[in-house]
Amino acid sequence: SAVISQKPSRDICQRGTSLTIQCQVDSQVTMMFWYRQQPGQSLTLIATANQGSEATYESGFVIDKFPISRPNLTFSTLTVSNMSPEDSSIYLCSVVIAGPYSGNTIYFGEGSWLTVV
Amino acid sequence: AQSVTQLGSHVSVSEGALVLLRCNYSSSVPPYLFWYVQYPNQGLQLLLKYTTGATLVKGINGFEAEFKKSETSFHLTKPSAHMSDAAEYFCAVRPVGTDKLIFGTGTRLQVFP
Repeated sequence: SAVISQKPSRDICQRGTSLTIQCQVDSQVTMMFWYRQQPGQSLTLIATANQGSEATYESGFVIDKFPISRPNLTFSTLTVSNMSPEDSSIYLCSVVIAGPYSGNTIYFGEGSWLTVV
Repeated sequence: AQSVTQLGSHVSVSEGALVLLRCNYSSSVPPYLFWYVQYPNQGLQLLLKYTTGATLVKGINGFEAEFKKSETSFHLTKPSAHMSDAAEYFCAVRPVGTDKLIFGTGTRLQVFP
């Protein structure tokens, strides 16, 4: 299994500001993803965080709004830029652990709950 | 594109009653299938998953799900509901060849005493 730590766990942000969310895993992982869960909604994949290169974004998400870094195999950041109330969501980090015991299992962090006012 | 349909955004049962949460997927090739639970103000927790092999999968907290290829379904069941089961449940698929998850819209389970 994997222990995933996300910071901050919660924050209230001012409109127009930017916030960076950190995701730290206690073991090296092959894949890291960022998802968004808007209030009362399901989860939507924002992007795949690629180690040492630019992230791969899903349709509807762009790098200027959601810049992502992944400098190594255990850490990634997601920045939500120029925030508006529509960005109020839970942002979740997800990792894939491969191995003989866990198989290809996907784990989620506890999420970062952002409210934009 | 693959999709996941969860029938019923809200399901209410009495404590001790059967829980049945429905999930159907659209795919010509059976994907990997997952059920996650989200308790109030908490993150996602994996309940169970189907990849290959036995089609009846047992998970945590007494939940199980059966993969039925002919019906493209992966319904979640629990014989006897407990108050602590009240939560949001998400069905998800992982298309073969990718580690991305596609989520259903979720079903909120309420359990009444």
